Amino acid sequence: GAVVSQHPSRVICKSGTSVKIECRSLDFQATTMFWYRQFPKKSLMLMATSNEGSKATYEQGVEKDKFLINHASLTLSTLTVTSAHPEDSSFYICSAILAYQETQYFGPGTRLLVL
Amino acid sequence: AQSVAQPEDQVNVAEGNPLTVKCTYSVSGNPYLFWYVQYPNRGLQFLLKYITGDNLVKGSYGFEAEFNKSQTSFHLKKPSALVSDSALYFCAVRGNQAGTALIFGKGTTLSVSS
Repeated sequence: GAVVSQHPSRVICKSGTSVKIECRSLDFQATTMFWYRQFPKKSLMLMATSNEGSKATYEQGVEKDKFLINHASLTLSTLTVTSAHPEDSSFYICSAILAYQETQYFGPGTRLLVL
Repeated sequence: AQSVAQPEDQVNVAEGNPLTVKCTYSVSGNPYLFWYVQYPNRGLQFLLKYITGDNLVKGSYGFEAEFNKSQTSFHLKKPSALVSDSALYFCAVRGNQAGTALIFGKGTTLSVSS
């Protein structure tokens, strides 16, 4: 099956700094990628939809200036958490879709801890 | 608007017994239904999907799901549970438009005891 990677898998940063998370589709071209956030023992909350070459579409309540998303190529999307605060600590998961396919493939997730 | 309900927070079964994880959905139009499994501190792994065709869908690791349109359900099943099946299971739905995000249920923790 299709493989999606995320880097880093775990990051600890100080409050006020920015953190970049990469999401890569390793063996396919993903026209669309999604970014989710998951709290402990909770479901996935969609943050934004990222289409290659265009601006991301953010869900209601998600600050686009705080969570910067860039989808520069068909295999890479990045999520930058700017001026991170402890409440941004969470598990961030990306997913990707092959063009015209139905199944989303998920990355392994990135654990962010903001001190 | 699409929505998914997983009525059980946790399902406990003994190894070797059949298991069922419940899911009901609400969509306008034809549903695109999915099951994913998540192990601790990991991403989601695709198990199976229903788009059209036979109501009984077979997926990975011996799992299957039955699509029931009249009951708007898509329950996940396995004839004989393994301890290694213990994980968090998510049901998800997508509307008719391709390329849109999945809407997830809250998840059900499956615990299989030996």
